[in-house]
Amino acid sequence: EIVMTQSPATLSVSPGERATLSCTASQTVTSNLAWYQQKPGQTPRLLIYGASTRATGIPARFSGSGSGTEFTLTISSLQSEDFAVYYCQQFNNWPLTFGGGTKVEIK
Amino acid sequence: EVQLLESGGGLVQPGGSLTLSCAASGFTLSSYAMSWVRQAPGKGLEWVSTIDASGTSTYYADSVKGRFTISRDKSKNTLYLQMNSLRAEDTAVYFCAKGAGSGTVLDYWGQGTLVTVSS
Repeated sequence: EIVMTQSPATLSVSPGERATLSCTASQTVTSNLAWYQQKPGQTPRLLIYGASTRATGIPARFSGSGSGTEFTLTISSLQSEDFAVYYCQQFNNWPLTFGGGTKVEIK
Repeated sequence: EVQLLESGGGLVQPGGSLTLSCAASGFTLSSYAMSWVRQAPGKGLEWVSTIDASGTSTYYADSVKGRFTISRDKSKNTLYLQMNSLRAEDTAVYFCAKGAGSGTVLDYWGQGTLVTVSS
């Protein structure tokens, strides 16, 4: 099983600032990585797939990068609606696995 | 508009069984891979099971293998998760999700249904 590790667990950011979230895989997943956003009490929403492709309707301030084992989700200028928990997920191998999540909170 | 509506959750005793349903609208469920993902209270996301678009291949997390069965009914455009031998650690909100691309990217999610396993 591929273990996905996200850091930091909590990120405190002021509105308008940049947020950088990391996701590390225990073995290569090539570019088969997705990012999801989950707000409290809501369902997860797909943000990024293929490591760097934004899903339909996702604003350009969200960007993904990386390949192999190291990945980054960047939110260029945090808006109030971006404060949430973010999960990475690998889809290179079965079983599908998620990271433990990074909570982005208001500083 | 793609919509997924789960149902069937509830309180069940350890060792009991439950069947979850996920009614799809806005797309033909049998044309896509479909998955179940769960989230224990206050915890992260855990993939549970996937059925591929053809319906011939199914995949399970080790934690549920041999106890849970994923299936679908084309005529009802509905996905199911039959859960047997339930344990306290199966307590979670269960989401169904539609697959995109290879089927293992989850592009639409339902609102979830809560399963509580307790005596």
